[in-house]
Amino acid sequence: DVKVTQSSRYLVKRTGEKVFLECVQDMDHENMFWYRQDPGLGLRLIYFSYDVKMKEKGDIPEGYSVSREKKERFSLILESASTNQTSMYLCASSLWGTARTDTQYFGPGTRLTVL
Amino acid sequence: DAKTTQPPSMDCAEGRAANLPCNHSTISGNEYVYWYRQIHSQGPQYIIHGLKNNETNEMASLIITEDRKSSTLILPHATLRDTAVYYCIVRVAYQTGANNLFFGTGTRLTVIP
Repeated sequence: DVKVTQSSRYLVKRTGEKVFLECVQDMDHENMFWYRQDPGLGLRLIYFSYDVKMKEKGDIPEGYSVSREKKERFSLILESASTNQTSMYLCASSLWGTARTDTQYFGPGTRLTVL
Repeated sequence: DAKTTQPPSMDCAEGRAANLPCNHSTISGNEYVYWYRQIHSQGPQYIIHGLKNNETNEMASLIITEDRKSSTLILPHATLRDTAVYYCIVRVAYQTGANNLFFGTGTRLTVIP
């Protein structure tokens, strides 16, 4: 079974703090994604990475950065947390292969509250 | 990626089949239909996907109409643990630079004892 783990289930930070969210997958997947999920807005892609040290902006990258130094690990960084970044953050990974295997596997999510 | 339309909510009796519809009238020839679900406070879970033929796996069946403008996800014997929000997503598989999934608001399925 594919396993995607996230460093915290719940996190409370203060405005202006630097926040690190870590994601690790154990299936040697090339692609990794960071989404945020807000009520009524569905999932929105922040960043994704298709290889080590490679990254691409998603739909809402502003206020975020990412790091992928190792294939299994993808970090999301909030340089200076703001209250509008209070959200559920979801990490996912997928295999680079044929369409039959193009599915994304999600972690359990991190509920971040910025006070 | 094509847009999808799903009913906001459905109920299903435990042990009965749950049939969740999805309309995707603007789907193009190279777009797949994906289904994911999200149980409360968990990350989304992949269920099944297909291009034009019907598909079945251990979780569900996917029926796609011949014109591909709509599809139905079937959970053959719904259990209480199937209570979740179900998302129908239409997208091109492995499109470089656009491998993300567009989740809409989905269908909230409630399985009733």
